[in-house]
Amino acid sequence: NAGVTQTPKFQVLKTGQSMTLQCAQDMNHEYMSWYRQDPGMGLRLIHYSVGAGITDQGEVPNGYNVSRSTTEDFPLRLLSAAPSQTSVYFCASSYALHSSGNTIYFGEGSWLTVV
Amino acid sequence: SQQGEEDPQALSIQEGENATMNCSYKTSINNLQWYRQNSGRGLVHLILIRSNEREKHSGRLRVTLDTSKKSSSLLITASRAADTASYFCAYNNNDMRFGAGTRLTVKP
Repeated sequence: NAGVTQTPKFQVLKTGQSMTLQCAQDMNHEYMSWYRQDPGMGLRLIHYSVGAGITDQGEVPNGYNVSRSTTEDFPLRLLSAAPSQTSVYFCASSYALHSSGNTIYFGEGSWLTVV
Repeated sequence: SQQGEEDPQALSIQEGENATMNCSYKTSINNLQWYRQNSGRGLVHLILIRSNEREKHSGRLRVTLDTSKKSSSLLITASRAADTASYFCAYNNNDMRFGAGTRLTVKP
């Protein structure tokens, strides 16, 4: 059972560089989302998707892009990395809309440092 | 921000004691969930309570929900050192929002 797989686990970027965090789930979940976690801030929603071809902004979308070309994959792109994007990023998925009460499954996190 | 608030931010107890964590939120909800996060890991679902429920049990966990006060509490009974982790409430509006978490330390 792979569940939700995120790569890379750790990444150091220079300011202005771009990169993509990969996320894949093998549970045929419709709903996928990206959160960032900063000390004392809990998890903040960046972007989410209710199905292939559909994405929407969350609480803190600026500086990030997403796409959902397949049900399985939901990559997060940092367009021009800034030190404020130093954080731990979590990808999550669930069978349907989170609001239906379905359990959310999380990846193990990606630690990103922007210098 | 529509984030919830957990209280306390940190809690340290001895093994065998009970731990109570509280969560307040700002919007109307369909359900509220509690998650656990071990250090350096992703979050793991613990329990869900729907907006029409007032209390729910799962093993050593007891969750209450008071929609009139927009608050929930998580009680862990007879705590163990292995319960040491951060605990988050999560609630939905049109998406899923998380609180800032309570860091629980259970001393052996």
